[in-house]
Amino acid sequence: KNEVEQSPQNLTAQEGEFITINCSYSVGISALHWLQQHPGGGIVSLFMLSSGKKKHGRLIATINIQEKHSSLHITASHPRDSAVYICAGPNFGNEKLTFGTGTRLTIIP
Amino acid sequence: NAGVTQTPKFQVLKTGQSMTLQCAQDMNHNSMYWYRQDPGMGLRLIYYSASEGTTDKGEVPNGYNVSRLNKREFSLRLESAAPSQTSVYFCASSLTGNYGYTFGSGTRLTVV
Repeated sequence: KNEVEQSPQNLTAQEGEFITINCSYSVGISALHWLQQHPGGGIVSLFMLSSGKKKHGRLIATINIQEKHSSLHITASHPRDSAVYICAGPNFGNEKLTFGTGTRLTIIP
Repeated sequence: NAGVTQTPKFQVLKTGQSMTLQCAQDMNHNSMYWYRQDPGMGLRLIYYSASEGTTDKGEVPNGYNVSRLNKREFSLRLESAAPSQTSVYFCASSLTGNYGYTFGSGTRLTVV
């Protein structure tokens, strides 16, 4: 079973700061997902990546398959970025995702 | 709007009652999933369906049944609710497991 670990569990930062959230997983995967869960509870898929880097607006996701590590970066953070960020990877050999417990990000104005 | 529609949003049940959570997607996705989310734990897979007519157990299937009624709809049934099933339930869909996921808005279920 793939184990997925995220760090930090909680992160508070000032508006404008550069944010990094880390995700490590224990077995080889074909792709890794980053999700955002809003304070209201809804979950949105941000990225799915299998190599290199992807960028969407102020969000950047990177992955190093050999090191089994991924990072989510937020540039010029804003209070509306406050949410729980979750990474997830498929169990080896099938499509079932194992989820990290999430990183709760709070951006203070 | 295209997406995953999940009903109801809130439900309170008494121990032993039954209920069905409904989920429908209009994106022509093949794969559909039911997850539960509990405080301090990551989302855990209850059941999934990789295609119409097939269902498979996930990590925590005990106490639940599912039906993949057609390509669009995937329902989750609690036959005899227990307090341990108090949770937030999410339905999700994906073209296949190797593509991005779309989540429903969640059902907050309380069993008393």
